[in-house]
Amino acid sequence: SSELTQDPAVSVALGQTVRITCQGDSLRSYYASWYQQKPGQAPVLVIYGKNNRPSGIPDRFSGSSSGNTASLTITGAQAEDEADYYCNSRDSSGNHRGVFGGGTKLTVL
Amino acid sequence: QVQLQQWGAGLLKPSETLSLTCAVYGGSFSGYYWSWIRQPPGKGLEWIGEINHSGSTNYNPSLKSRVTISVDTSKNQFSLKLSSVTAADTAVYYCARGRLRAYYYGSGSYKVPGDYYFDYWGQGTLVTVSS
Repeated sequence: SSELTQDPAVSVALGQTVRITCQGDSLRSYYASWYQQKPGQAPVLVIYGKNNRPSGIPDRFSGSSSGNTASLTITGAQAEDEADYYCNSRDSSGNHRGVFGGGTKLTVL
Repeated sequence: QVQLQQWGAGLLKPSETLSLTCAVYGGSFSGYYWSWIRQPPGKGLEWIGEINHSGSTNYNPSLKSRVTISVDTSKNQFSLKLSSVTAADTAVYYCARGRLRAYYYGSGSYKVPGDYYFDYWGQGTLVTVSS
């Protein structure tokens, strides 16, 4: 299957650590990339590759992967991290296409 | 600094053709997958398709019969056309720069995962389909 599955919603207390997961067969062939999207804004890349952050992304964001599961970890969540998070990968079943997870709404309490 | 700027009609009637263009400023135009992604109101992201600088395309199978993505390298622009639109095509449409490094097999048949991500995005265009 080329689908990616995410939990619809996750919450975290301010300053605590939260992990957002993404599952799918394509993750055995491609690292997940992760995007943060705030209301009314375009998505922003926060993690790509094995565990790479674009310039300007705080180091509290990190990524990891094992088998068919990828994780985005926010260590010491801040109020401004409240957003929707999407994972993305490449279909590895022979169809040359991108695929997104359904998104996770992160609430910082 | 790379910037993607997109434009196109924001209000369409059912059966019309959606047409959007994205201009790329800064950086090289070759070596990337120039992509379109959409997001219906209140819903998640959906990959529509991509084109590289030489014009090779890939489309989402669910939209393939209606989608055409083209490129004009002389202007560093790429475009999306989606025919026979319905209300279900109402969404914010984004253009984005995609980067792909395919997976490969290392020594001992170990699979080295590839990379695939969108590092620059356009501002988004809300396209509404309504009679």
